[in-house]
Amino acid sequence: EAGVTQFPSHSVIEKGQTVTLRCDPISGHDNLYWYRRVMGKEIKFLLHFVKESKQDESGMPNNRFLAERTGGTYSTLKVQPAELEDSGVYFCASSHQRGGDEQFFGPGTRLTVL
Amino acid sequence: GEDVEQSLFLSVREGDSSVINCTYTDSSSTYLYWYKQEPGAGLQLLTYIFSNMDMKQDQRLTVLLNKKDKHLSLRIADTQTGDSAIYFCAENPNDYKLSFGAGTTVTVRA
Repeated sequence: EAGVTQFPSHSVIEKGQTVTLRCDPISGHDNLYWYRRVMGKEIKFLLHFVKESKQDESGMPNNRFLAERTGGTYSTLKVQPAELEDSGVYFCASSHQRGGDEQFFGPGTRLTVL
Repeated sequence: GEDVEQSLFLSVREGDSSVINCTYTDSSSTYLYWYKQEPGAGLQLLTYIFSNMDMKQDQRLTVLLNKKDKHLSLRIADTQTGDSAIYFCAENPNDYKLSFGAGTTVTVRA
């Protein structure tokens, strides 16, 4: 069984540009999560999808971030326009069910905004 | 401030035991977790403990939970070079959102 994959693994962009991160969850997992780790600090929750619906986006930093999961399969996280403080590692995770079911994490996308 | 706190670095000699400590804030968390991140890899669930347990042992890993003090620890016996990684403590204040600490970087020296 393939794990959670993320693309790209690294992205370096200039302030003001747009970047789109992609996450492919484990097949059959309805739940998809985005997290972010900034500058070696704690990993923070960004949002949670169940299939194509956003269940909780309380962790999204501001309206420069837009997450989508059309068709309930892969998800994208777009940052437009990117700012310096957006640099960090963006992790995606998926799980089959809620309620304590294990979340399987991808390797993360390291975003650097110059 | 952080909801989950853990020390940032730990250096241990190969063959010794490692103990990583964590404090959390939400007493309603059903599970508490330890994740491991090796270089270039994603987060891997290492072990977890249900909130009504005091201890869980899994081969070289021992998890201790002090619910009164909201303190969680992970002990790794006979630490090996392959145990070098970042270890994250996490709680689930609701049934889907994980709240992580900043991670403890464990370095195993020969």
